[in-house]
Amino acid sequence: AQSVTQPDARVTVSEGASLQLRCKYSYSATPYLFWYVQYPRQGLQLLLKYYSGDPVVQGVNSFEAEFSKSNSSFHLQKASVHWSDSAVYFCALSRNNYAQGLTFGLGTRVSVFP
Amino acid sequence: EAAVTQSPRSKVAVTGGKVTLSCHQTNNHDYMYWYRQDTGHGLRLIHYSYVADSTEKGDIPDGYKASRPSQENFSLILELASLSQTAVYFCASSEDRGLAEQFFGPGTRLTVL
Repeated sequence: AQSVTQPDARVTVSEGASLQLRCKYSYSATPYLFWYVQYPRQGLQLLLKYYSGDPVVQGVNSFEAEFSKSNSSFHLQKASVHWSDSAVYFCALSRNNYAQGLTFGLGTRVSVFP
Repeated sequence: EAAVTQSPRSKVAVTGGKVTLSCHQTNNHDYMYWYRQDTGHGLRLIHYSYVADSTEKGDIPDGYKASRPSQENFSLILELASLSQTAVYFCASSEDRGLAEQFFGPGTRLTVL
């Protein structure tokens, strides 16, 4: 069975500070991994995705994520957050590494304060 | 730009009643999905489809049926709505690749009373 764990339900940061959101996965092979963001009362939007190659992948809005096979992790980072980054962030992996839907973590709610 | 629309955006239903949630995409994608999101939780896959007139079960299909009459349209049907089905429902579409981005609709907030 595959699963995604996001250990932090809520994170609070000051504007301009750095942000790291943790994600651990369980899957028998190297998974297709994603980070999505959900702004209030909206659907999800893709931030970045990863399958192979450079373990550090760049995404939209200056987000990046680092894949670690040894740690089964795919942590999301941003060097300097803005108040508009306040949202819920979801880590996900592709079911069976095919277009059969995504398995999501529970999400991390990020609040950015001025 | 890719677009996934859902209707209605919000609905109140009575326990035991029938509910149909509709999804329409203009992405020309073969794959479509229905997820539910409960307050404070991630999304869970209910049903998906990769071709018209065919649907597949996801992780939590019990109590739900799906219908894909055309490439563009994908419906989720609750034949006998229950209190436990109160949630926000999201539809998504994607290309036929495991690493393909899923494009999500804005969601339908369903309240069953």
